[in-house]
Amino acid sequence: GEDVEQSLFLSVREGDSSVINCTYTDSSSTYLYWYKQEPGAGLQLLTYIFSNMDMKQDQRLTVLLNKKDKHLSLRIADTQTGDSAIYFCAEILYGGATNKLIFGTGTLLAVQP
Amino acid sequence: ETGVTQTPRHLVMGMTNKKSLKCEQHLGHNAMYWYKQSAKKPLELMFVYNFKEQTENNSVPSRFSPECPNSSHLFLHLHTLQPEDSALYLCASSQGGTRGLQTQYFGPGTRLLVL
Repeated sequence: GEDVEQSLFLSVREGDSSVINCTYTDSSSTYLYWYKQEPGAGLQLLTYIFSNMDMKQDQRLTVLLNKKDKHLSLRIADTQTGDSAIYFCAEILYGGATNKLIFGTGTLLAVQP
Repeated sequence: ETGVTQTPRHLVMGMTNKKSLKCEQHLGHNAMYWYKQSAKKPLELMFVYNFKEQTENNSVPSRFSPECPNSSHLFLHLHTLQPEDSALYLCASSQGGTRGLQTQYFGPGTRLLVL
C-alpha cells in the first residue's frame, strides 16, 4: 500500500528536543521530505534526505533514516513555541509520466512554554 | 514566500455557483499539482500536470475541472460542488520530469466553504 504513517500528536516543553517519527512504504524511494504547516498556511519544506544517507543535520534539525526498517525521524533541538505546527513526512514515488509525493497523516507538535 | 501564489485565499460559494481557483508559480518549474486537505484526512493529490500535460487524475469528481494553459499557471474550475468539498485546496509546483529531487513548493492555499 501507499500509507505513510506518523503519530498524530506530540507535546514537549520549550527548550526540550522533539522527535517526530515516520514509517514509509517504498524501499526504492530516493528522496524523503519533511514539511511544516502552520495554522492557515500551506506546506513549507523543512528539509529532505537522499536515500543513500542515514543522517542529515541542518541547524536545529536532524533527520535520521533507517532504510532497513523504512523509518524516518525528525529531531528538533531546543524546541521553541514557534515550532508549534503540523509536521508531514513524505516519500517520492516515480511512475510513468509523473512523480508524486505520498504524505503522512501529519504530527501535531504542541510546544508548551 | 515560496514563489507559489494562490487566489483567492478564502472562498464561500453555494452549491449552484461556478468559481475558479488560480495558482501561479514564479520558480520556472514545469510540473504543477492540486491537493485537497480536509480535516482529519491525509493530504489528497487531485491532479498533476507535467509540461502542461495532465499526467494524473486521482479519481476526482467531474465537478472539479483543472486547466493548465502554460507551465506557470494552473486553475481549478469548480461547478455544482457539495458541502463535503469544503476544504483547503493547495497548489504546488516542482521542477518536472520523472526523476531526481522533485521537491514540491506549496502555495498558501485557498480555504473553500461550500454552503
